[in-house]
Amino acid sequence: AQSVTQLGSHVSVSEGALVLLRCNYSSSVPPYLFWYVQYPNQGLQLLLKYTSAATLVKGINGFEAEFKKSETSFHLTKPSAHMSDAAEYFCAVSDRAQGGSEKLVFGKGTKLTVNP
Amino acid sequence: DTGVSQDPRHKITKRGQNVTFRCDPISEHNRLYWYRQTLGQGPEFLTYFQNEAQLEKSRLLSDRFSAERPKGSFSTLEIQRTEQGDSAMYLCASSFGDRGAGANVLTFGAGSRLTVL
Repeated sequence: AQSVTQLGSHVSVSEGALVLLRCNYSSSVPPYLFWYVQYPNQGLQLLLKYTSAATLVKGINGFEAEFKKSETSFHLTKPSAHMSDAAEYFCAVSDRAQGGSEKLVFGKGTKLTVNP
Repeated sequence: DTGVSQDPRHKITKRGQNVTFRCDPISEHNRLYWYRQTLGQGPEFLTYFQNEAQLEKSRLLSDRFSAERPKGSFSTLEIQRTEQGDSAMYLCASSFGDRGAGANVLTFGAGSRLTVL
């Protein structure tokens, strides 16, 4: 079964610093990969997705993620953190190899705190 | 389009009572999903509909849980004889696509928070 591991349940950075949120997946076949963000009292919002095109994927709000097959990783980065980036971030995987399962499997999430 | 709507946003109930949540997806979306999220965890898949057909159910969905999407539009999730372990945020999401056609981008609602006393 697919699984996603997000290293670090809490990450704290200073405003203007690099944001790095880690995600590793388990799959024998490259899956579809997603990053979602959840602000308090709001639904999850898609940041970006990987679907086997370019390995470096650009998303909204200045975020990007790089798919590395050799490391089974899909880490999320942003060069300069803003206060508004404070939220919980979820990595998710969908197993394209199954060809029929439409569910996303989510990691446990990483809560990002941005300090002034 | 107002996005995915869920009702009620909050529900407090006593153990043993039945509760029902409603989800109104984005109107042109043919797929509808239910997920459950507990504190400190990511969303866990419960079930998925394509139009009115329920195509996949998780083993998390015990016999006390039932979901319907009778006309392929809104959906309801009912929990019978609630238990304290059912306390969670119930998330609905919708998308548009064909089965197995590719990456499926879900649009989530804000969720319905259930507290079982």
